[in-house]
Amino acid sequence: GDSVTQMEGPVTLSEEAFLTINCTYTATGYPSLFWYVQYPGEGLQLLLKATKADDKGSNKGFEATYRKETTSFHLEKGSVQVSDSAVYFCALVGGGATNKLIFGTGTLLAVQP
Amino acid sequence: EAEVAQSPRYKITEKSQAVAFWCDPISGHATLYWYRQILGQGPELLVQFQDESVVDDSQLPKDRFSAERLKGVDSTLKIQPAELGDSAMYLCASTHRGGAAAYEQYFGPGTRLTVT
Repeated sequence: GDSVTQMEGPVTLSEEAFLTINCTYTATGYPSLFWYVQYPGEGLQLLLKATKADDKGSNKGFEATYRKETTSFHLEKGSVQVSDSAVYFCALVGGGATNKLIFGTGTLLAVQP
Repeated sequence: EAEVAQSPRYKITEKSQAVAFWCDPISGHATLYWYRQILGQGPELLVQFQDESVVDDSQLPKDRFSAERLKGVDSTLKIQPAELGDSAMYLCASTHRGGAAAYEQYFGPGTRLTVT
């Protein structure tokens, strides 16, 4: 079945450092790919998405490119801030009759001042 | 800005007791999802509704869990009896009926359940 694999955390960075969180997927067909962010004690918020190969999703300085050839959707940000500290989830929607999201296990990002 | 509402935010219950969670999706959203998120893991779908009909409940433990969305608007998820392993965050999400917008799910703040 469809699945998402994320790099394990926690990822600890200093403010203004470069961020990469790796995400790879397994899916039949052509899934849509997402990054969600979860701040402490809150629900999930959609951060960015890409619906077809070579699309680049971007939001709030974060970017991710849908790479079909490597089945990857790595999250990047050039300069992280303390306020970016959260858990980041990579997810896919495989299509079909339901649009259920299939999530990775999440990666905790801790940014230190 | 419209939001998905959930209540209660926190619930502590003893095992073998019944517990219920409520979700009110964004107005006009036909599709509603209940996810369970165990600590340290990603959310997993329990049940999906399209209007008042169940579309997918393949991962719902039907011996103890039930879900309803009687008028196709708000929804209730019930657990009876609760077990220690049910301790988790229960998340509700909603989205539009179809098209590209159907892929953007909006999540509520969740209900944190602790079973003692």
